[in-house]
This record gives sequence, structure tokens and C-alpha cells, in this order.
Amino acid sequence: DAGITQSPRYKITETGRQVTLMCHQTWSHSYMFWYRQDLGHGLRLIYYSAAADITDKGEVPDGYVVSRSKTENFPLTLESATRSQTSVYFCASSEQRGGPLEQFFGPGTRLTVL
Amino acid sequence: AQSVTQLGSHVSVSEGALVLLRCNYSSSVPPYLFWYVQYPNQGLQLLLKYTSAATLVKGINGFEAEFKKSETSFHLTKPSAHMSDAAEYFCAVRNSGGSNYKLTFGKGTLLTVNP
Repeated sequence: DAGITQSPRYKITETGRQVTLMCHQTWSHSYMFWYRQDLGHGLRLIYYSAAADITDKGEVPDGYVVSRSKTENFPLTLESATRSQTSVYFCASSEQRGGPLEQFFGPGTRLTVL
Repeated sequence: AQSVTQLGSHVSVSEGALVLLRCNYSSSVPPYLFWYVQYPNQGLQLLLKYTSAATLVKGINGFEAEFKKSETSFHLTKPSAHMSDAAEYFCAVRNSGGSNYKLTFGKGTLLTVNP
């Protein structure tokens, strides 16, 4: 299906385990973003990518790793999950050309770290 | 650095009443401004965006927002609330200059609509 998808939609894991959240978009957008959403904090940017093999840190990158080998995929890995990483994670994408181009969001992944 | 402040984390209105959700921004350059809506267990959906073409912006579902540079505000309004408007609303800002495509979001306002 066209659009932006995230998998899994729900994940429960234990402290110390590695977890990878997947994000896939079919628009060939250059920019992709990972956010976490927590009560009282709104959305906070974790990492973003301007193109394949180009990534940069956002506001809260500690404890997370990203890669982008293909334009359409932007996985987020928690190398050793902690309880503070329990959150809802959203992936988004945007075109590169100039102008007030909005970001398009996926449905989110609800992650619980026990 | 740019920032967004949404006044009121929770707004409650009666069905048919005016909806007013407040957003103030700070930006060193002319900004692009956005309002997103999030329904329960869903991702964010764009309601409307300010592109500098017109100060009054109309969006989906009867919402509109007015850009006021002198007040650095971009408040969201709807004349008559509907039960289906109950959701969380986020204001976001992006600088218009350079290649910075990052959005900065406010903390959100939860809208409750009472019958």
C-alpha cells in the first residue's frame, strides 16, 4: 500500500534487550524522521535523515541508533532497551524540495520496556 | 532556535460551541507553521499550514487559523465544535530559510467535546 508504515504496531520487551522498529515509505521522500511521544512532552525528535546514508541527531538521540541504506527504509534500533524508552514512536517523511512541505506520519509503534 | 508554546494542555467545549486552540511561536526567520491533529491510537494528520501566501488559512474539517506576526501567534479555530473533533492538536513550526526540514512541535492540546 502507498504511504508510510511502521512495524510492529505494538512491542513489549525487557530491559537490556535490543529492539528494532521499522519504518517504510513508498513516496521516495528524501527526508525521514523518528519521534517519540510522551505525556507532557509532545513529540520529540530522536534522529532524522536527509537521504540514504545521511543521518543526524535530533533532540533526544541517546540510546538509539539509526541507519538508512535505502531511501524507503529508516529503522530505529534501541541497542539496550531501558524503561525510560517506553513510549510511542512515530516515523515521518517529507519531500526535499523547497517550500512549506509538511511531514507525513506513520501510525506509530507503542513500545513497552519491562 | 525556534520554539512553540501551546496555551492550555486541555480544552473542553460543548458541542456547537466555538473552538479556540492557542499557539505562539518564536522564530528568528519567517516561519512555516502547521497544525496537526491526532485521533486516539493514530498518527498525526495535517489540518492546515501557513505558507505566507495568506494570513488566514483554511484547513480540513472546518478548521482555520490566522497568522498574526505582531503577536507571533497562529491560533486554531472552528466556529462550531462537533463530537468528532475530540482529539489532540499539535502546533508546529519550521524555519523557512536554509535546508532545515525539522519541525518543532508544541506539547499539544487535548480537545474534549461535551454533548
